[in-house]
Amino acid sequence: DSGVTQTPKHLITATGQRVTLRCSPRSGDLSVYWYQQSLDQGLQFLIQYYNGEERAKGNILERFSAQQFPDLHSELNLSSLELGDSALYFCASSVGEWGRHTDTQYFGPGTRLTVL
Amino acid sequence: AQKITQTQPGMFVQEKEAVTLDCTYDTSDQSYGLFWYKQPSSGEMIFLIYQGSYDEQNATEGRYSLNFQKARKSANLVISASQLGDSAMYFCAMSENSGYSTLTFGKGTMLLVSP
Repeated sequence: DSGVTQTPKHLITATGQRVTLRCSPRSGDLSVYWYQQSLDQGLQFLIQYYNGEERAKGNILERFSAQQFPDLHSELNLSSLELGDSALYFCASSVGEWGRHTDTQYFGPGTRLTVL
Repeated sequence: AQKITQTQPGMFVQEKEAVTLDCTYDTSDQSYGLFWYKQPSSGEMIFLIYQGSYDEQNATEGRYSLNFQKARKSANLVISASQLGDSAMYFCAMSENSGYSTLTFGKGTMLLVSP
């Protein structure tokens, strides 16, 4: 158990819908990262938050947005869902200290999203 | 160009034998970090081992060791005394000197351990 929690574990929805994925980081971690894992794209970084503020953005679609709340939990919102959004979405957390390459990211169990 | 290359889509090994999973990387940064993660069939991503670009010694964590060859830009994972529970997907990842610590992953290697 990494200490990172994600809910829900599975999500099945229809095209055009909107969903929210939730993540709670490990105790003491200030950084939260979101990754998408799909068969064709592999594991891709989406977005990072540090202590409530957006820090880095990766290959995140405009239909997707995220935020980190004062209690440090984070939510990833996916809207106008398409079939191609079906994937495993991971949240990871780390201490988040700037420039630390030893800053290991610990991953949650993931949310498997299926868009029908 | 791919930043992380894992050339072995699949590997087979017998229980109790050692196995090496290959990883090469591409970066122009002097300071970077290399990570290996394990993803069993249940789906979670488990951190295994870390190597910093300035670390002189190869990293080791129990049965896992990282064969770091900086000049060749390779960071191979060695698993000694394989166990059936080692059957999983293994990902190599890199964090570059952007300060953000975001990870770039390779496509992974599926390891199957047979009795």
